[in-house]
Amino acid sequence: DTEVTQTPKHLVMGMTNKKSLKCEQHMGHRAMYWYKQKAKKPPELMFVYSYEKLSINESVPSRFSPECPNSSLLNLHLHALQPEDSALYLCASSPRDTTYEQYFGPGTRLTVT
Amino acid sequence: AQKVTQAQTEISVVEKEDVTLDCVYETRDTTYYLFWYKQPPSGELVFLIRRNSFDEQNEISGRYSWNFQKSTSSFNFTITASQVVDSAVYFCALGDYGQNFVFGPGTRLSVLP
Repeated sequence: DTEVTQTPKHLVMGMTNKKSLKCEQHMGHRAMYWYKQKAKKPPELMFVYSYEKLSINESVPSRFSPECPNSSLLNLHLHALQPEDSALYLCASSPRDTTYEQYFGPGTRLTVT
Repeated sequence: AQKVTQAQTEISVVEKEDVTLDCVYETRDTTYYLFWYKQPPSGELVFLIRRNSFDEQNEISGRYSWNFQKSTSSFNFTITASQVVDSAVYFCALGDYGQNFVFGPGTRLSVLP
């Protein structure tokens, strides 16, 4: 099974809402990632969990909060988002860390109104 | 800081033509890994190849080939006898042991029938 699953596929939320994005993999990978991708731009790395230890991208606003309950699951908690946060949010996993190939999920299309 | 440049924003070719996608990278690390990913119109990123900084052998996989030249910091990707299904955005990327991972801006390839 080389699949990374993400839910929901689409999400519309207001600026005062709290929502969560979910990601799951069953490949036994020990690293998981969140990316943000705007239209016609490359994915930008937001967070890395490697062996369940978080590496933070200092440029990511605190309204995005990652959580890794175990090595197969990854959540991204969203709170008080801005319209400019509307984007495709991609989850990925890799065997160990950022030196290994990453397998991507289909993404969650987020719209903030 | 790491940087990946893909100078070609968009390329159009006619089916069966060969096409080369350029990638130039910058890093101060001596050990690093280079990758190519494909993002078809459906949106899901697909891993194509991983290469470490100590392995400069060219690689061929079917119609795909890669040329890594450390002296010029380049990792170019050639598609031989292109097909319409090759139409996609192709990203070159660079990863290191410091949990850093950066994509280039991407090259949009259109293969016309």
